[in-house]
Amino acid sequence: KAGVTQTPRYLIKTRGQQVTLSCSPISGHRSVSWYQQTPGQGLQFLFEYFSETQRNKGNFPGRFSGRQFSNSRSEMNVSTLELGDSALYLCASSPSGRDSYEQYFGPGTRLTVT
Amino acid sequence: DAKTTQPPSMDCAEGRAANLPCNHSTISGNEYVYWYRQIHSQGPQYIIHGLKNNETNEMASLIITEDRKSSTLILPHATLRDTAVYYCIVRPLDSARQLTFGSGTQLTVLP
Repeated sequence: KAGVTQTPRYLIKTRGQQVTLSCSPISGHRSVSWYQQTPGQGLQFLFEYFSETQRNKGNFPGRFSGRQFSNSRSEMNVSTLELGDSALYLCASSPSGRDSYEQYFGPGTRLTVT
Repeated sequence: DAKTTQPPSMDCAEGRAANLPCNHSTISGNEYVYWYRQIHSQGPQYIIHGLKNNETNEMASLIITEDRKSSTLILPHATLRDTAVYYCIVRPLDSARQLTFGSGTQLTVLP
């Protein structure tokens, strides 16, 4: 079974631009979560989608948004990029069910904002 | 959520058991202990979780003290591929997918 895939793997953007990152979960997984990882803040939860609906949201500004499609693929968007948005963005998928504890992470997208 | 405290780094000889401690003295009754690891340049990988009983799977064993204020992750026969940052997280089961990692323990397995 193929793992979680994320595209692109690396991205360089300029301050003020917007960016869209893509995540394809493991086949059959309906929950997709997004995380931001930086050296200073560690891993921080952004949001979780399940069956095309946002189920949980972390403490990030509205510039960070996401969506999930009917095939469970997910995208996240960051508008008006700031230098502090430079980070590794990770996507994780999980089987159905609220008590699914195990998450499978993708390799991440390394975003650099200049 | 309960905070966790882990040593910043540990070394272990290849083939020996690696014992990684975690303190979570403010853990609540409904919170589980989860362990993940992250190998350089890869996404985190789930290892094991437990509530109060000791747990074992194909990757590791988790020993939780009777008062649940601390736990130890045991990799029984460490290999070079186990070199990674190990994270101990405490979360209720219904928010297991809303993870927050701190700095973790950098485990280096030495040949």
